[in-house]
Parts: sequence; structure tokens; C-alpha cells
Amino acid sequence: QKEVEQNSGPLSVPEGAIASLNCTYSDRGSQSFFWYRQYSGKSPELIMFIYSNGDKEDGRFTAQLNKASQYVSLLIRDSQPSDSATYLCAVSGNTGKLIFGQGTTLQVKP
Amino acid sequence: ETGVTQTPRHLVMGMTNKKSLKCEQHLGHNAMYWYKQSAKKPLELMFVYNFKEQTENNSVPSRFSPECPNSSHLFLHLHTLQPEDSALYLCASSQEMDDQPQHFGDGTRLSIL
Repeated sequence: QKEVEQNSGPLSVPEGAIASLNCTYSDRGSQSFFWYRQYSGKSPELIMFIYSNGDKEDGRFTAQLNKASQYVSLLIRDSQPSDSATYLCAVSGNTGKLIFGQGTTLQVKP
Repeated sequence: ETGVTQTPRHLVMGMTNKKSLKCEQHLGHNAMYWYKQSAKKPLELMFVYNFKEQTENNSVPSRFSPECPNSSHLFLHLHTLQPEDSALYLCASSQEMDDQPQHFGDGTRLSIL
């Protein structure tokens, strides 16, 4: 079993829709959870982080964490073509090491 | 300059060459990291430095040799690389090593002939 799992996609949504990106992790001791956006040919850019169960909202982005289910998600409201990118889920345990998922490619179609 | 800066952006080298990748962070962070990103694979952590001390070597072959002279600078010395080492090499930094968000440089695209 992979430590951090994401569906590679592509996930295709129409412009203006809600994009839902999901991530599961295997280490129950994981403490911190991050979402990065990576445009093709560019480096990962941090967009959200969450430490506690529940929802955290920042503009059009909402991160959701459920530690009991070992599940973290990212919702993007009012999706724009500029949101088209690969979204990387990263999970940090007690050692501080970040374990990355393979990433989900999002395509927002005008 | 701000953020995390990596040089060179692109590097093509033969298997017998020796070269170095450079990373500099202007964020006042104490931890620095080297990652390898290959096509269709998750980011792989290679090395971690915390306050200039190496705290993690993720079973990386000895043909990759890191150096961290101070908390702001990180190098990756390369020698006798293999074609499968062709990848994007990313440097990142964070305030502390524990559970802090990491900020990435633009990476060095390495191609081994």
C-alpha cells in the first residue's frame, strides 16, 4: 500500500464548477497535511495546509481533514481554467518528513 | 531576491562529468531539503538538513553528495551519474523541520547523456 494515495486523473470539470480532489494516507500518526499546486514545468507551490480535523477555507479553496478515515481533500469552488494543474497531497508524520502522493491532474474546461 | 533560488535551471551532462547544483533560500529558514521528481512518480525526498546538520539520507546512492555550509545554502554534488538520474531536482526549505510548510525552488532539470 502506498503511503499517500491520490487518483492520478485527469479530473475534468467545467469552468465554474466545484473540483474535488482526494487523498488517503496510511500512517495514523500523521500530524500535518499539505496541498501543493504544480503547473507543468514548474515547481510545487503551497496552497493550503491543515492540522486539525474539519474544514479550513481560504478564498476559493477548502481543505477537509478526517483523521479517523485517514482522508484529506481539497475543494476548489468556481474552478477557472487557470486552476488546471497537478495537485500534490503531502503528509507529515512525527519525523517531519513530507511524504507526497503522485498528484492529481485537474483540467478545467472553458 | 526572495524565496528559494536554484541554479542552474537546466543541466546536461555526461555520465563521467562532475557538476554541482546550488540552492539558496532567503526566507530565514533553518531546514533545507533535496527532492527528486521523475516523470509519473511522486516526489522523492533525498536529503534533509536542519541547522546545517544532515538529519536524513533517504538511501541515496553515493554518486549524489550533499553539502550545507550554512542554513541558507545547500549544494548537491553530482558525479558518475546514470541515465536514470535524469529528473527534476527540487530544493525546499522550511522554518523548522517539524510539520512546517515547505517552500520550493524552481528546480534544476537534469539530463544525463
